[in-house]
Amino acid sequence: AQTVTQSQPEMFVQEAETVTLSCTYDTSENNYYLFWYKQPPSRQMILVIRQEAYKQQNATENRFSVNFQKAAKSFSLKISDSQLGDTAMYFCAFAMNRDDKIIFGKGTRLHILP
Amino acid sequence: SQTIHQWPATLVQPVGSPLSLECTVEGTSNPNLYWYRQAAGRGLQLLFYSVGIGQISSEVPQNLSASRPQDRQFILSSKKLLLSDSGFYLCAGTPQPGSPLHFGNGTRLTVT
Repeated sequence: AQTVTQSQPEMFVQEAETVTLSCTYDTSENNYYLFWYKQPPSRQMILVIRQEAYKQQNATENRFSVNFQKAAKSFSLKISDSQLGDTAMYFCAFAMNRDDKIIFGKGTRLHILP
Repeated sequence: SQTIHQWPATLVQPVGSPLSLECTVEGTSNPNLYWYRQAAGRGLQLLFYSVGIGQISSEVPQNLSASRPQDRQFILSSKKLLLSDSGFYLCAGTPQPGSPLHFGNGTRLTVT
């Protein structure tokens, strides 16, 4: 069965610094998708970034980028120039191409300090 | 674009009472739909998902059930709530596998 592991339950970072959130997953599949979602205090889930496994190029969205290491089954999220509004819970998620199941990690609670 | 409507926002129910949470989808046809529960320390736990009318896949054996009576309607139910059913329930949908999920605003359920 597929699993998603986020090993950092909570992190504290100073504003303007760069932070990396880790995510590893376990699968025997070759075609799949990976996502990072953000859940601010409002609890609304917001898509941060999406990566297709067959693409070697790492996805980037403004200050957010990923380091996708397929062989290592690692999918970390880097937030550059962190802002107070980045304070949120961050979830890594995995979706297979041939299955419709989408599973999430336990999340990392990120605090950006002024 | 797809919009997920979910209600109620909060719910307080006594142990042993029934439950019905409704989720409807706007803006797409034949979406994949999901129910997740978020409890402290456990992240988002997948409860049920559905790829079409009447098609339900259950991920966690428990006293909850789900139904999809219409293409854009997904219902989470229980005949008798347990204290352990308390949590934050999220409905989500995607137009096709691999596309990002769109989430509803969630329901905070407290079982007393």
